[in-house]
Amino acid sequence: GAGVSQSPSNKVTEKGKDVELRCDPISGHTALYWYRQSLGQGLEFLIYFQGNSAPDKSGLPSDRFSAERTGGSVSTLTIQRTQQEDSAVYLCASSPGGLAKTQYFGPGTRLLVL
Amino acid sequence: EDQVTQSPEALRLQEGESSSLNCSYTVSGLRGLFWYRQDPGKGPEFLFTLYSAGEEKEKERLKATLTKKESFLHITAPKPEDSATYLCAVQAEDDKIIFGKGTRLHILP
Repeated sequence: GAGVSQSPSNKVTEKGKDVELRCDPISGHTALYWYRQSLGQGLEFLIYFQGNSAPDKSGLPSDRFSAERTGGSVSTLTIQRTQQEDSAVYLCASSPGGLAKTQYFGPGTRLLVL
Repeated sequence: EDQVTQSPEALRLQEGESSSLNCSYTVSGLRGLFWYRQDPGKGPEFLFTLYSAGEEKEKERLKATLTKKESFLHITAPKPEDSATYLCAVQAEDDKIIFGKGTRLHILP
């Protein structure tokens, strides 16, 4: 079956511009996660959705970051007024939800802010 | 504070040379410990989930074990295709998931 897909795969933008990153989870997966991975660093948790609600937004690094999920499926991560330190790989994962369920990751979006 | 520490940061082995990767954790109420493999330019790929101390799981040349403080990923007679970054993550009782920084494994032919 289809896995988690993310688009775009690569994004180059200028400092100060807004960007939108999209995640299509595995069909039927109720939980969706966004992570950021910088070079040589581990995965940094950003936000978690259960259905359309986000019970945990604690990982969003600043108010320039926001995310939404509609119809319990597709999610969009928006970064406003991008800064060079936002350059990283943004990974999305989905899981069936519930306790200790395995997360299935997408290939990521590589964001470069010039 | 919940945290996950992986060691070593990097490991080079000869083909066939068995070794172990370590994942030490402190977490309030462990719900699960996960191992992932990540190849360059790709998202992490699930390997194992462990739920309680004493549990072990195997897949091909890999075996994961769990104690109350740490997990080991044992690699037996590795091949060059086992070269990757191996990530450990824990899920706490508040459902938060914390990843370690990974171990970069390189198997020399």
